[in-house]
Parts: sequence; structure tokens; C-alpha cells
Amino acid sequence: NAGVTQTPKFQVLKTGQSMTLQCAQDMNHNSMYWYRQDPGMGLRLIYYSASEGTTDKGEVPNGYNVSRLNKREFSLRLESAAPSQTSVYFCASSAYTGGGKTDTQYFGPGTRLTVL
Amino acid sequence: SQQGEEDPQALSIQEGENATMNCSYKTSINNLQWYRQNSGRGLVHLILIRSNEREKHSGRLRVTLDTSKKSSSLLITASRAADTASYFCATDRSGTYKYIFGTGTRLKVLA
Repeated sequence: NAGVTQTPKFQVLKTGQSMTLQCAQDMNHNSMYWYRQDPGMGLRLIYYSASEGTTDKGEVPNGYNVSRLNKREFSLRLESAAPSQTSVYFCASSAYTGGGKTDTQYFGPGTRLTVL
Repeated sequence: SQQGEEDPQALSIQEGENATMNCSYKTSINNLQWYRQNSGRGLVHLILIRSNEREKHSGRLRVTLDTSKKSSSLLITASRAADTASYFCATDRSGTYKYIFGTGTRLKVLA
């Protein structure tokens, strides 16, 4: 049982390049999330997917797109990377407990992205 | 804007002392969670407390929730050097599926 896995662990991009961050969970969770964490800061929600087939914007969605490929996988795409997107990106998942409520979030190890 | 705000931003104590950090939030919630993050690492879940609960314990951790004041506190008793980390609270606004994180409290436990 691997929990939440993310690839790659590290990535360096040039301004304007594109890339996709991959996330997968094996806990049969309905909800998945993408966060970014800038140095010395908390996590900010980029996008989330309450269930398979749905995605919604979080606090800082500009410059990103997501795909909920299936129940297990939730990818984050940067179409044209900018230096302001240099950050550590975390994926998380949680179970849906009904009535618009979710349970504990479990996090992946993160992807350190640098945009030059 | 951030849903959760931790206080203090930084805390330095001696090993064996207790550490208390607080979290305030703005809207009604379903759950509040506390996480620990060691420098450069991922987040480790500590405790989830639901809106109808007032207190939860896990080992040396005690979490309280006061929904009337929209605040929570995390108490770490008999702290150890290994407790040195950043601690974050995360709240989910009622009726949504998303958690919003605070900016964290950086705890340093001196041996």
C-alpha cells in the first residue's frame, strides 16, 4: 500500500516550457487535491477534485490545468511555466464521508519545481 | 484569504516543556486537522477533530476546538528535539470538499 505517490520528485524548467505533474493514490479515495507551498508559507490550494469526473478551482488556479484521469490519478499541468510557479507541489487525497464532508487528507512526498 | 491562521508564527522552547499553538478560522467548518512538516519534507497528519467534538488526544498531543470562538489549539506535552518542525492547521468550510491551510507555527525544541 503506497498511499499517495507523485512524479517527478524534482524538475527544472525554462520559462515557457510545459510539463505535467502526476499523482496517484491507492486508498480508493474519492477526493484529490493539488497544493503549492512557497518557502516559509503554508499550503495553497490550486485545484481539487471532489470525485471522479469533477474538478474545481482552489485559491490559486491561474496558470494551471488539471485532469482527473480516473479515481486513482489526478494530474496537474503547467502549460507555459513562469518563474512565479517555482514552488513545491503536493498532491493529497481523502475519503468522502457523505453530506459534503471529507475525512483526513493524506499527502504525497511533493515535487520540487524550479522555473528559470 | 487564508481560512486558518496559526499563532504564534514561531516558538522556541526547551526539551521537556509543553508547546501550545493556536489556530483561528473565519467560517463554520466540518473538520479541523493538524499537520506536522519537517524541514523540506512532506506533511504528516496528526489529528482530525470534527466540529461536534471539543477535545481529542493522541499520545503527547492534545487538540481542543471551540467553534463559538472559531479557534483550535494544539498542545504538545513533554516536548522532544524530534518535535522540531512546522505545524499547520487546515479547515474545511462547511459544504465544501476543500481544506484551506494556515501559514503555520515553526516550533524549535532545544535539547
